[in-house]
Amino acid sequence: DGGITQSPKYLFRKEGQNVTLSCEQNLNHDAMYWYRQDPGQGLRLIYYSQIVNDFQKGDIAEGYSVSREKKESFPLTVTSAQKNPTAFYLCASSMGSGGASEQFFGPGTRLTVL
Amino acid sequence: AQSVAQPEDQVNVAEGNPLTVKCTYSVSGNPYLFWYVQYPNRGLQFLLKYITGDNLVKGSYGFEAEFNKSQTSFHLKKPSALVSDSALYFCAVRPSSNTGKLIFGQGTTLQVKP
Repeated sequence: DGGITQSPKYLFRKEGQNVTLSCEQNLNHDAMYWYRQDPGQGLRLIYYSQIVNDFQKGDIAEGYSVSREKKESFPLTVTSAQKNPTAFYLCASSMGSGGASEQFFGPGTRLTVL
Repeated sequence: AQSVAQPEDQVNVAEGNPLTVKCTYSVSGNPYLFWYVQYPNRGLQFLLKYITGDNLVKGSYGFEAEFNKSQTSFHLKKPSALVSDSALYFCAVRPSSNTGKLIFGQGTTLQVKP
């Protein structure tokens, strides 16, 4: 899992609540990413950030929000607008945002809506 | 549409036998290709990548992958499987013109039996 930490490991949310997932990296990477993983569907990109104070929507951004105020931090907020938020959430980072740079992943946060 | 396909949901092999996990892709240009492994309730770990040059790429834990441009494939291989190789494997592609997004396959579960 390298130098990327995610917290909490498990998170339970009641319907209608917003929750924030933490992602921190000490790899000095410029780019950071949030993915959602559901069984049998692989990983789907929610948001990504190539540099501080800038981020772009991925393929499934609706119901989610992010911020990138510091290079090492990229928190994800799951809002009440996300209709089916129960999933495994993975944060990743890479040295650059393109080319051959591989992404390094955190250990994940499992979110369950009660 | 750009996509990655892993045609087998599960691959079963006996310990000591060679293994192959298949991956084909449909992207424009000359893509960068990656393989990742995921153990239960963990993040993804990088195994290897193809950038350019030799079609046979060697990676971590004795794994290798063969790039075939004409067949648009990037199959993962290992000469002798271990029980500890049992995990979920993901193929990913980044189009050469892309700003950083990875396109993931849906994953293949590898089961190595003693």
